[in-house]
Amino acid sequence: EPEVTQTPSHQVTQMGQEVILRCVPISNHLYFYWYRQILGQKVEFLVSFYNNEISEKSEIFDDQFSVERPDGSNFTLKIRSTKLEDSAMYFCASNIGGQAYNSPLHFGNGTRLTVT
Amino acid sequence: DQQVKQNSPSLSVQEGRISILNCDYTNSMFDYFLWYKKYPAEGPTFLISISSIKDKNEDGRFTVFLNKSAKHLSLHIVPSQPGDSAVYFCATSGTYKYIFGTGTRLKVLA
Repeated sequence: EPEVTQTPSHQVTQMGQEVILRCVPISNHLYFYWYRQILGQKVEFLVSFYNNEISEKSEIFDDQFSVERPDGSNFTLKIRSTKLEDSAMYFCASNIGGQAYNSPLHFGNGTRLTVT
Repeated sequence: DQQVKQNSPSLSVQEGRISILNCDYTNSMFDYFLWYKKYPAEGPTFLISISSIKDKNEDGRFTVFLNKSAKHLSLHIVPSQPGDSAVYFCATSGTYKYIFGTGTRLKVLA
């Protein structure tokens, strides 16, 4: 069964550094998402992306965050200047048709980001 | 802004018995609901979904019930197995995002 893959599985970075989290969504999916989960807390929406544009973003997704689909397969999340509170599990997800088609999200196994 | 609430943070059930996980939502415009299971160090895995035109959807041991008037959905797992021990999230679709509840940790005792 096709799956969403994320790299790296664990990233340690110093405060103020830039990080790029990478994702390869399922190949025939059209909508892409980033979520995060701070330890023990809820899965929080960050951003959704369709047709090379952001569809929606949360208040967490400020100017320090950006997303890109640099080629036909990768979907990246960049944090320009990391803060301690950015430490979390970051999950990439994709689905085939977005909300209009009531299709479930498929998640990758996440990248654990640790900011020191 | 708790649009989706799971009021029970944890639940313990004996193997072979029924597990019932509950979820409440606030917005009557939501029309698609999902349940996910999550193991430690893994991403959420889709289990089952239901659209608002139905009040029940079944897939093997998993059944989701939707009560639109009460804005409540529940997931029934029968019979429960030790491998079902995980955190379960309900979710619903917003405009261009899916909104998740806080999760219920299910422990199935052998």
